[in-house]
Amino acid sequence: QKEVEQNSGPLSVPEGAIASLNCTYSDRVSQSFFWYRQYSGKSPELIMSIYSNGDKEDGRFTAQLNKASQYVSLLIRDSQPSDSATYLCAVNIYYGGSQGNLIFGKGTKLSVKP
Amino acid sequence: DAMVIQNPRYQVTQFGKPVTLSCSQTLNHNVMYWYQQKSSQAPKLLFHYYDKDFNNEADTPDNFQSRRPNTSFCFLDIRSPGLGDAAMYLCATSRDRLAGGGSTDTQYFGPGTRLTVL
Repeated sequence: QKEVEQNSGPLSVPEGAIASLNCTYSDRVSQSFFWYRQYSGKSPELIMSIYSNGDKEDGRFTAQLNKASQYVSLLIRDSQPSDSATYLCAVNIYYGGSQGNLIFGKGTKLSVKP
Repeated sequence: DAMVIQNPRYQVTQFGKPVTLSCSQTLNHNVMYWYQQKSSQAPKLLFHYYDKDFNNEADTPDNFQSRRPNTSFCFLDIRSPGLGDAAMYLCATSRDRLAGGGSTDTQYFGPGTRLTVL
């Protein structure tokens, strides 16, 4: 069973703080990793994608990938109340080298308090 | 702007009455996906099309069908909706299924259709 695990939260941080969201996955051959943000009642919105070990930064967001530990994280610097949402970690699982399926974690609910 | 469009945004149907949800894309992507998402749960893949090649997930009920008449459009048909089918239905697209040489497997979601079954 291919799995993606996230702490469901809620994770509460004060405005201006760093929010740290974590995700582990079970399939060692996974190559593609994504973070989506989902506001209540809305569809998932892509925040970051990462394919190589290390850090990838985009504005206030940094994704970190460690394939040896099967771990991917998302850091949000200078957190704003508008960042309050559920963050979904997704991992592309490849079957037989010809097809990928995106497996989602259940999401971590983030609350940024003013 | 290139985008994924879903219609309608909200659909109310009666128990057992067939319903069709629509998805269109201007991204010219090869792959189109349908997901079901229930409250506080992860999106669950129902099926996807790679061009005209249909791929059904093993645990997708027969009650759910899909059509892709051309590159731009994909439809989800629910033949006899039950109360348990009430959910958000998400359409997504990607250029490819594998990240060959770049982020070609990145999936972009439409706004979703909220289905209510009475």
